Amino acid sequence: ETGVTQTPRHLVMGMTNKKSLKCEQHLGHNAMYWYKQSAKKPLELMFVYNFKEQTENNSVPSRFSPECPNSSHLFLHLHTLQPEDSALYLCASSQGGTFTDTQYFGPGTRLTVL
Amino acid sequence: KNEVEQSPQNLTAQEGEFITINCSYSVGISALHWLQQHPGGGIVSLFMLSSGKKKHGRLIATINIQEKHSSLHITASHPRDSAVYICAQRGGGADGLTFGKGTHLIIQP
Repeated sequence: ETGVTQTPRHLVMGMTNKKSLKCEQHLGHNAMYWYKQSAKKPLELMFVYNFKEQTENNSVPSRFSPECPNSSHLFLHLHTLQPEDSALYLCASSQGGTFTDTQYFGPGTRLTVL
Repeated sequence: KNEVEQSPQNLTAQEGEFITINCSYSVGISALHWLQQHPGGGIVSLFMLSSGKKKHGRLIATINIQEKHSSLHITASHPRDSAVYICAQRGGGADGLTFGKGTHLIIQP
């Protein structure tokens, strides 16, 4: 496999569920990102990890909990979400974590919260 | 607070036309990204630039640091260029990327 992969591609969950989104990159990059894209709104940066360390948290509510066990894998743990959290969640990676390198995006997870 | 404005919001053109999409930002820059998002959500990074001009195939991106403005040009446009084009800017501070709302481009055969 090459590039950036995300699973699942689609997820429907209730407000009381706990689920996790997974991202994996096969590019040898050191930085990984979570983005949120809500309908009719611009992309929003959520989290940045550089060499497994979180370097940016863009005021994301605690019901979203990221985890980066190594430079190739990134998770987003979800619990007690709200319907307004329904969105496309995109993962990306880049060589460095300062936004001055090209980012490679995964296909996204389309999340629906009921 | 950094703001990124794109224009036009929507653009429909005929195949073969020269396309220009504009992006203006409000604070000093360290990098500007142009992204392409196809229906279904997949995003491809087209360019990352901090000065001057870059070209890749039929796509050209330019940036004017003094005017805080960047343009994305598509020459000999084709229906497969139909997508949303997004501008994103990294300011001088540690504020991540600020994204524009995107330009929805449709190229008709």
